[in-house]
Amino acid sequence: NAGVMQNPRHLVRRRGQEARLRCSPMKGHSHVYWYRQLPEEGLKFMVYLQKENIIDESGMPKERFSAEFPKEGPSILRIQQVVRGDSAAYFCASSPVEGVETQYFGPGTRLLVL
Amino acid sequence: KQEVTQIPAALSVPEGENLVLNCSFTDSAIYNLQWFRQDPGKGLTSLLLIQSSQREQTSGRLNASLDKSSGRSTLYIAASQPGDSATYLCAVEIDYKLSFGAGTTVTVRA
Repeated sequence: NAGVMQNPRHLVRRRGQEARLRCSPMKGHSHVYWYRQLPEEGLKFMVYLQKENIIDESGMPKERFSAEFPKEGPSILRIQQVVRGDSAAYFCASSPVEGVETQYFGPGTRLLVL
Repeated sequence: KQEVTQIPAALSVPEGENLVLNCSFTDSAIYNLQWFRQDPGKGLTSLLLIQSSQREQTSGRLNASLDKSSGRSTLYIAASQPGDSATYLCAVEIDYKLSFGAGTTVTVRA
């Protein structure tokens, strides 16, 4: 059973460009969570999604950020018009059901905005 | 708002010494507490998960305790090895959200 997959692993964007981060949950997992780790800070919750539904996006900036988890395909975290402050590691986690067992984390996507 | 604090921020020990990592949290209404390991440039590996009704968990050389009433957890690593060098993260779960501490970076010197 493959683990949580994230791609790309590293992404470089110039200010004003768009960044699209992909997350494929573990097989059989229907819950996806996105976290952001800013330099020298702990991971912060961004958004929780189930298939075709955003359950909680309270940790996601209101502007420029969006997330989706379509019926088919990976979950996508999209950052429009990136700024230098968006440079961070973005981690995706998945679980089979909410709150029953641990969330399994992917390797992360490291975004660098020039 | 849940605040999770880890002390110390960094720790350097000689091989063979026991490690003690501390974690405190402000809201005791947690569902569970987890300890993760993070290697540079890598993802998170779950080490131990303690449900809110439990007081400790053990796995090999690792032992984690949980005192919900005082908002504290301690991770013990016995007989440390250079391969234990990593950043250790404490996270508490309320509902489905994990709140993380900033981590303790451990260096075990051979």
